[in-house]
Amino acid sequence: KNEVEQSPQNLTAQEGEFITINCSYSVGISALHWLQQHPGGGIVSLFMLSSGKKKHGRLIATINIQEKHSSLHITASHPRDSAVYICAVLLTGNQFYFGTGTSLTVIP
Amino acid sequence: DGGITQSPKYLFRKEGQNVTLSCEQNLNHDAMYWYRQDPGQGLRLIYYSQIVNDFQKGDIAEGYSVSREKKESFPLTVTSAQKNPTAFYLCASSMGRIGDSPLHFGNGTRLTVT
Repeated sequence: KNEVEQSPQNLTAQEGEFITINCSYSVGISALHWLQQHPGGGIVSLFMLSSGKKKHGRLIATINIQEKHSSLHITASHPRDSAVYICAVLLTGNQFYFGTGTSLTVIP
Repeated sequence: DGGITQSPKYLFRKEGQNVTLSCEQNLNHDAMYWYRQDPGQGLRLIYYSQIVNDFQKGDIAEGYSVSREKKESFPLTVTSAQKNPTAFYLCASSMGRIGDSPLHFGNGTRLTVT
């Protein structure tokens, strides 16, 4: 059983649409990260959060500790947002566990 | 600019040969990690190191070895004992204790063993 589940697996959107990617986890965590993987393979850290909500530009990340759920929102999506978005959780301990990713394609 | 450099980007080897993947960081980060990425699976931890001269096995360490002789460097050797070595390998680092700060990743090395 995977400790981290993401949905949807694949997502296609028109430019300008509001996008939501979900992440659910099954155990207690000390932190959750959202990562972006570009087509070439490189990964960039978008957010690290343990409670509440964070915003950076058009990206918003929220987490509900009680419901063991986090969402990543992209407002006014753009083709350059096309990438794989990965949720990673840090379990109480010292290891990250990663979701399988959500592949986003934004069409002009 | 600070960052993590992985080399080479693509690596091809014959079955039975050991191969070493390079990972260098100039971020002055204490913790470094090696992950393996396979299609349809999340990243899986091979080894991690919190300080120089110390490293710990991750979930899939069998067939791999590492060293941490310098803070900046954390090379990964894929040995002939690794049954399915063909994969995308990512090196990462973070400041302080694991989980205290964001992960920084290299651009990865795609290893193909035939």
